[in-house]
Amino acid sequence: AQKITQTQPGMFVQEKEAVTLDCTYDTSDQSYGLFWYKQPSSGEMIFLIYQGSYDEQNATEGRYSLNFQKARKSANLVISASQLGDSAMYFCAMIPAPYSGAGSYQLTFGKGTKLSVIP
Amino acid sequence: DTAVSQTPKYLVTQMGNDKSIKCEQNLGHDTMYWYKQDSKKFLKIMFSYNNKELIINETVPNRFSPKSPDKAHLNLHINSLELGDSAVYFCASSQDEGTGELFFGEGSRLTVL
Repeated sequence: AQKITQTQPGMFVQEKEAVTLDCTYDTSDQSYGLFWYKQPSSGEMIFLIYQGSYDEQNATEGRYSLNFQKARKSANLVISASQLGDSAMYFCAMIPAPYSGAGSYQLTFGKGTKLSVIP
Repeated sequence: DTAVSQTPKYLVTQMGNDKSIKCEQNLGHDTMYWYKQDSKKFLKIMFSYNNKELIINETVPNRFSPKSPDKAHLNLHINSLELGDSAVYFCASSQDEGTGELFFGEGSRLTVL
């Protein structure tokens, strides 16, 4: 079974500064995928970024980057140049063996981190 | 056009009632899901359907039943509602069962009185 841990229930960051949201995971799978989702106060869930366990380079998507440290089983999200619109809940999630065709997939979410960007 | 749409967005009802939440996706995806988000924001998968076949069924009460008339629709029917069913229910879809890039609906907030 997979487990995702987000130890920061809430974080504050000054506008235009960078912030790191922590995520550690536990799995016995050799192959897996890691994801970050954003949930603004309006409630919708928005996919941000994906990292495959065998990807050698850290994923980046615009101002989002994923600091993937496989040996430490961590997949921290880094948001550069924070904007007021970044204030939201952020969820780390993982899925086992994304492309093995094994069937029976389950995206497991962490409990989330609430990010507040201060003007 | 909304990619994943679910209705109603808000639902307030009495204990013991039966209610349904509808979900439709126009992305041509093969897999659809229902997630429950509790008051502490924890998201947990309830069901997923791939090409009209149930492929994941978590340990949810059998009062909850997913119904998929076609691969673009996955409705959630709940019988004999209980107070603990109050939550936000999210419908989502993905290209296939092997990807974690999910497209979510806006959520349906269910309040059971």
